[in-house]
Amino acid sequence: EIVLTQSPGTLSLSPGQRATLSCRASQSVRNSYIAWYRQKPGQAPRFLIYGASIRATGIPDRFSGSGSGTDFTLTISRLEPEDFAVYYCQQYGTSPLTFGGGTKVEIK
Amino acid sequence: QVQLLQSGREAKKPGASVKVSCKASGYTFINNGITWVRQAPGLGLEWVAWINPYDGNTHSSEKVQGRVTMTTDTFTSTVYMELRSLRSDDTAVYFCARNYDSSGHLDPFDHWGQGTLVIVSS
Repeated sequence: EIVLTQSPGTLSLSPGQRATLSCRASQSVRNSYIAWYRQKPGQAPRFLIYGASIRATGIPDRFSGSGSGTDFTLTISRLEPEDFAVYYCQQYGTSPLTFGGGTKVEIK
Repeated sequence: QVQLLQSGREAKKPGASVKVSCKASGYTFINNGITWVRQAPGLGLEWVAWINPYDGNTHSSEKVQGRVTMTTDTFTSTVYMELRSLRSDDTAVYFCARNYDSSGHLDPFDHWGQGTLVIVSS
């Protein structure tokens, strides 16, 4: 199975700052089929990005995704209060679907 | 708007079975697969199983294969997941999620249920 490694484990930033989250795959992800989700405590994940770089419906343009092959990045250009949460990447190119271990973005 | 409403928390003993439901609304039920994802306390997300409500095709992870059964009721737009021979490491919040596209189980998930806590303990 494809193992996704997210880094850093925790990112300590202030509102308004830029966040850069990494997701590295153990093998190339077919068609860059990478999705990103944001999960706040006690809530279900929220769909942010698919196809590595396509924003889901209703997702603001401060969220952007990039990458191909084995290296993918989620960038949040200016952190809003609701962005302090845990972020997961997911690959859906190869069965079994797998998720990364998550990056927590916390308030500095 | 799309909504997925799950059944309430469950507490079971090891070896027992649990059946969790996920009622969909706001879209044409048979047009999108439904996937189950679980999250053990304090941990990350794990893909569990998928069903295509259109034809009943299913697919599950190796960890639950042989122990999980998924069914649908198209009249009530509800998906059921039954997990048997429960173990302590099945303790988790179980989320149902709608597949973004209709083709197969390899999809991202665009809408999620609120989650159902299943506790397995003697």
